[in-house]
Amino acid sequence: DSGVTQTPKHLITATGQRVTLRCSPRSGDLSVYWYQQSLDQGLQFLIQYYNGEERAKGNILERFSAQQFPDLHSELNLSSLELGDSALYFCASSPRVLPTDTQYFGPGTRLTVL
Amino acid sequence: GEDVEQSLFLSVREGDSSVINCTYTDSSSTYLYWYKQEPGAGLQLLTYIFSNMDMKQDQRLTVLLNKKDKHLSLRIADTQTGDSAIYFCAESAYGGSQGNLIFGKGTKLSVKP
Repeated sequence: DSGVTQTPKHLITATGQRVTLRCSPRSGDLSVYWYQQSLDQGLQFLIQYYNGEERAKGNILERFSAQQFPDLHSELNLSSLELGDSALYFCASSPRVLPTDTQYFGPGTRLTVL
Repeated sequence: GEDVEQSLFLSVREGDSSVINCTYTDSSSTYLYWYKQEPGAGLQLLTYIFSNMDMKQDQRLTVLLNKKDKHLSLRIADTQTGDSAIYFCAESAYGGSQGNLIFGKGTKLSVKP
């Protein structure tokens, strides 16, 4: 158990819908990362927050957005969903953003878009 | 841009050693990581190596780093059926001003009894 929790574990929805994925980082960790794992693209970095502020952006679509709240939990919002958005979405956390800080991953949310 | 490459499959017999290889492109990477993903599960950090090290050993795991060739390997001694999983090599993009990890596609290790 990494200490990172993600809800829900599974999510099934239809094209065009909007969903919210939630992540609670390890106690004391200020930095949260979101990754998408799909069969064709592999594991790709989406976005990173540090202490409530956006820190870095990766291959995140404009239909996707995220935020980190004062209690440090984070939410990833996916809208106008398409079939290709079906994937495993992982959240990871680390104490800060230094390369000495290991990222610990949550169990993931499996999103299926029908 | 940064890129991490791994072979996709490796099959070994129980008790043998497994060697999973990885090449990366970002010479400014400070840390390199190995993660394990079992079926239906999340990513578990196995080990990492700092870029000024050549080798790191942790029980059955040995990580070798050839910085000149940008080559990283993970050796698992006395491989067990429980080691069957996908192993991901990752580099820290910190050198590129981001803190995220860049992953390879993963190597699926199959251990035959």
